[in-house]
Amino acid sequence: SQKIEQNSEALNIQEGKTATLTCNYTNYSPAYLQWYRQDPGRGPVFLLLIRENEKEKRKERLKVTFDTTLKQSLFHITASQPADSATYLCAPFIRAGNMLTFGGGTRLMVKP
Amino acid sequence: NAGVTQTPKFRVLKTGQSMTLLCAQDMNHEYMYWYRQDPGMGLRLIHYSVGEGTTAKGEVPDGYNVSRLKKQNFLLGLESAAPSQTSVYFCASSLTRGPTSGANVLTFGAGSRLTVL
Repeated sequence: SQKIEQNSEALNIQEGKTATLTCNYTNYSPAYLQWYRQDPGRGPVFLLLIRENEKEKRKERLKVTFDTTLKQSLFHITASQPADSATYLCAPFIRAGNMLTFGGGTRLMVKP
Repeated sequence: NAGVTQTPKFRVLKTGQSMTLLCAQDMNHEYMYWYRQDPGMGLRLIHYSVGEGTTAKGEVPDGYNVSRLKKQNFLLGLESAAPSQTSVYFCASSLTRGPTSGANVLTFGAGSRLTVL
């Protein structure tokens, strides 16, 4: 069965540092992988998408990497700010089921 | 442009009662989805629709029914609510779907928190 692992423990970092969140998956090779941000009491909001043939994708202070050999995606926020505090969800697209499957998310807390 | 709107935002039910959650999108998206989110479980797909008049089962469809009579609306029904259905429900829509299309970016509603006593 498909399994997506995100660190369930909160990640606490100091403002200005780089936050790195991990998404590991097993038993399949996703065509692409998406990252979403979710604030308390709100729905997830799409941030970035990276395809299987891409190693890295950037958007402003955000960077996503995709290592299909390690079956892992890393999500980086550089120069983090308290406003970046939220839960971040990874969502690989599984070909077999033709659907996105979401990880449990990692909560990021950026302290001033 | 409202995006995806869910009603109601909160609801408390007694075991055995029925209810319907309404989702409306104004982006002319073809695909619509209902997820539930439970602590530590991530978002799990209940049902989805690939177009008006069509629906399909997702990962956890038991105890739920859906209908998509109009392209912009997707209804989620609970015929006989159970405490295990206490959750936060999210509706989402996407313009495309699949591995080689526009990559299935989802727009989510704000969620509906359901408590079954």
